[in-house]
Amino acid sequence: GDSVTQMEGPVTLSEEAFLTINCTYTATGYPSLFWYVQYPGEGLQLLLKATKADDKGSNKGFEATYRKETTSFHLEKGSVQVSDSAVYFCAVTGGGNKLTFGTGTQLKVEL
Amino acid sequence: KAGVTQTPRYLIKTRGQQVTLSCSPISGHRSVSWYQQTPGQGLQFLFEYFSETQRNKGNFPGRFSGRQFSNSRSEMNVSTLELGDSALYLCASSLDVDTSEAFFGQGTRLTVV
Repeated sequence: GDSVTQMEGPVTLSEEAFLTINCTYTATGYPSLFWYVQYPGEGLQLLLKATKADDKGSNKGFEATYRKETTSFHLEKGSVQVSDSAVYFCAVTGGGNKLTFGTGTQLKVEL
Repeated sequence: KAGVTQTPRYLIKTRGQQVTLSCSPISGHRSVSWYQQTPGQGLQFLFEYFSETQRNKGNFPGRFSGRQFSNSRSEMNVSTLELGDSALYLCASSLDVDTSEAFFGQGTRLTVV
């Protein structure tokens, strides 16, 4: 079945630092890829998505590029803020609405 | 447009009891999926319903069941609760099948004591 591997956290950064959270996946067919964010006490919010190879998803300064050759979908942001502190989940769906998630990476941004 | 609404937000139940959780999807969305989130196992897919039919099911015991009504609202039921069922249960709403975009509710926090 589908699977997602993402880097373990917590990741602690200073404000305005560059962020990368690695994500690799295994899936059959033509999967769609997602990054979700979860703030404390909340559900998941879709951050960005990409539905085919070489697509770049972007939102709120975050970006991720669908790399089929390396089966990766790494999340990046050029300058993080304290308000970006949350848990980030990489996810894949190979068809239908069933999402397979990574284990999540907690990000802490300090002043 | 209202988001995905899950009720109740918090529940405390005793081992052996049963529980029913409710999810109202975004208006016009016809697919509802359920996920269990625990610190140990992370986010795991329970099942998906579309047009009152279960389309997909995760690897959970038969104590976990669900249904969807004609207005797309969904419920999930857990019978004979175990301590390990303590988790955050999340509902996700999608416009249609295979739409590649799911919107999540805030979840129901179930504690089994």
